[in-house]
Amino acid sequence: GAGVSQSPSNKVTEKGKDVELRCDPISGHTALYWYRQSLGQGLEFLIYFQGNSAPDKSGLPSDRFSAERTGGSVSTLTIQRTQQEDSAVYLCASSTRDRGHEQFFGPGTRLTVL
Amino acid sequence: AQKVTQAQTEISVVEKEDVTLDCVYETRDTTYYLFWYKQPPSGELVFLIRRNSFDEQNEISGRYSWNFQKSTSSFNFTITASQVVDSAVYFCALSINFNKFYFGSGTKLNVKP
Repeated sequence: GAGVSQSPSNKVTEKGKDVELRCDPISGHTALYWYRQSLGQGLEFLIYFQGNSAPDKSGLPSDRFSAERTGGSVSTLTIQRTQQEDSAVYLCASSTRDRGHEQFFGPGTRLTVL
Repeated sequence: AQKVTQAQTEISVVEKEDVTLDCVYETRDTTYYLFWYKQPPSGELVFLIRRNSFDEQNEISGRYSWNFQKSTSSFNFTITASQVVDSAVYFCALSINFNKFYFGSGTKLNVKP
């Protein structure tokens, strides 16, 4: 499809396990963003990529969180030693200057840590 | 520091009523960008509008209109003649340089038939 895709759509894991969340942005979009949305809350900015580099990692909640982007396309958000408070919907968005930096969001990955 | 406040947690209206969703922002930067997004029950956020700090002209798009007032640091969103399909959570957001976005906590709009 032409939109942002994320996988898996749902992930249930046990406390202490590592998880990887994937984002496929719209082709040609140079900017990619990760957000976390807890139940009934707004969006919490996690990290931004321009191409493969992440000039702003200030939103990552702890050193258990990391993200990378390869080939200026796919991005992976990794959470190590998951905790129950990590349970949330993780959203990915991509944008391009040609479209006025309008962010196109993916459907999200719902992470549940038991 | 940047901050966006949406004081209305939830609003309920009857179809055809007009409704205004409030958004107040804080920033010390003179150049910034404001956004509104809609998150329908299906979950995916949809971009509605972007405004830059140098353009205080109000904007109208069909039943939607936006009132940007720098004097009160507000960027309010009005839906005229609301419809059931307008039921969603609406988010206001602020960005300085498109590197980082600050979202409000959202306003849930319920439009009843």
